[in-house]
Amino acid sequence: EDKVVQSPLSLVVHEGDTVTLNCSYEVTNFRSLLWYKQEKKAPTFLFMLTSSGIEKKSGRLSSILDKKELSSILNITATQTGDSAIYLCAVEAEGRRALTFGSGTRLQVQP
Amino acid sequence: NAGVTQTPKFRILKIGQSMTLQCAQDMNHNYMYWYRQDPGMGLKLIYYSVGAGITDKGEVPNGYNVSRSTTEDFPLRLELAAPSQTSVYFCASSLLRTGASYGYTFGSGTRLTVV
Repeated sequence: EDKVVQSPLSLVVHEGDTVTLNCSYEVTNFRSLLWYKQEKKAPTFLFMLTSSGIEKKSGRLSSILDKKELSSILNITATQTGDSAIYLCAVEAEGRRALTFGSGTRLQVQP
Repeated sequence: NAGVTQTPKFRILKIGQSMTLQCAQDMNHNYMYWYRQDPGMGLKLIYYSVGAGITDKGEVPNGYNVSRSTTEDFPLRLELAAPSQTSVYFCASSLLRTGASYGYTFGSGTRLTVV
């Protein structure tokens, strides 16, 4: 059975801090790993990673995949209160019906 | 471009009642999915569809049914609601299988409480 584990489950930081969220996976025939941000409603797409060691960046957010360690990290620098959300990691595998999601990391950024 | 539209946004059901959660997308996506998200948990796949007339079970299909008569619509039916079905339900669609390259487009969710 495919497994996606995120850590920490919950995190409280202050504005300006840098945070690192972790995602590890156990899947057969890995294809890609995706990060989503979920505020009050629907998850929104952040990144998709397929190649190990190549960093994807978008403003203050960046993510990298380590296929050897079967993991990915999502970094957020100079955090703002608007970064408060649940961050979901999902994995796509060959032959699988749909994405497998982790339980998410709840990030709270305090002023 | 509306994307994925889910209705209703909130609903309270009594045990044993039935209801249909509606989902419609206007992006001509072939792939559509229903997930449920329990508090503190990730998304669990209920049902998915790879095109009109084709549906299949996900991880947690018991107590639910789906149909896909058109590309646009993918309703989820709850029969004989139970408290264990209290959850937030998300419909999603994708251009390619399992969201490759673009990820999913999600609806805004339906918060269902069964009492």
